[in-house]
Amino acid sequence: EAGVVQSPRYKIIEKKQPVAFWCNPISGHNTLYWYLQNLGQGPELLIRYENEEAVDDSQLPKDRFSAERLKGVDSTLKIQPAELGDSAVYLCASSLQGNEQFFGPGTRLTVL
Amino acid sequence: DQQVKQNSPSLSVQEGRISILNCDYTNSMFDYFLWYKKYPAEGPTFLISISSIKDKNEDGRFTVFLNKSAKHLSLHIVPSQPGDSAVYFCAATEGGKLIFGQGTELSVKP
Repeated sequence: EAGVVQSPRYKIIEKKQPVAFWCNPISGHNTLYWYLQNLGQGPELLIRYENEEAVDDSQLPKDRFSAERLKGVDSTLKIQPAELGDSAVYLCASSLQGNEQFFGPGTRLTVL
Repeated sequence: DQQVKQNSPSLSVQEGRISILNCDYTNSMFDYFLWYKKYPAEGPTFLISISSIKDKNEDGRFTVFLNKSAKHLSLHIVPSQPGDSAVYFCAATEGGKLIFGQGTELSVKP
């Protein structure tokens, strides 16, 4: 069974530029999460989807961050414009039911 | 306000000995606790979990202990192996939301 797929794995951009990350969850998993992980910290939830619906986006900085999950499968997370402080690893995870979440490898973003 | 805390950023253990990783939490509403393991350039992978109604869960070399009165969680690895070297994250759930600690980097030396 394929795991959670994320692309790109690495991205380097200049500040004020837009950037987008893509996630393909494990087949059949209805719940999808985007996390932000800063260096030396644990992942922090940005947004959680149940199928197409964003059920928890309270930690998503909505002035510059947006996300979508069309058709309840793949998801994209966008930052526009990016700031220096956005440099981090962006993790996508999915789950079927219960508490266990399966994580992708993450996208390491560097904003110069 | 850190609801899940791992106060030891690193731990070094000799191969074959016991590794004990600790985690403290503040929210008594947490109903499920998990440990994740993370290698460099990979996402966290699930290791073991425990419900708040239990005080111990064992899976092979890994045992998680929960002390609800102390709001303390620990992961024991016996015997430790060099392949266990990784960053370990403690996490807790409330209403489907996972809250992670800062992580502890375990180094198991041959």
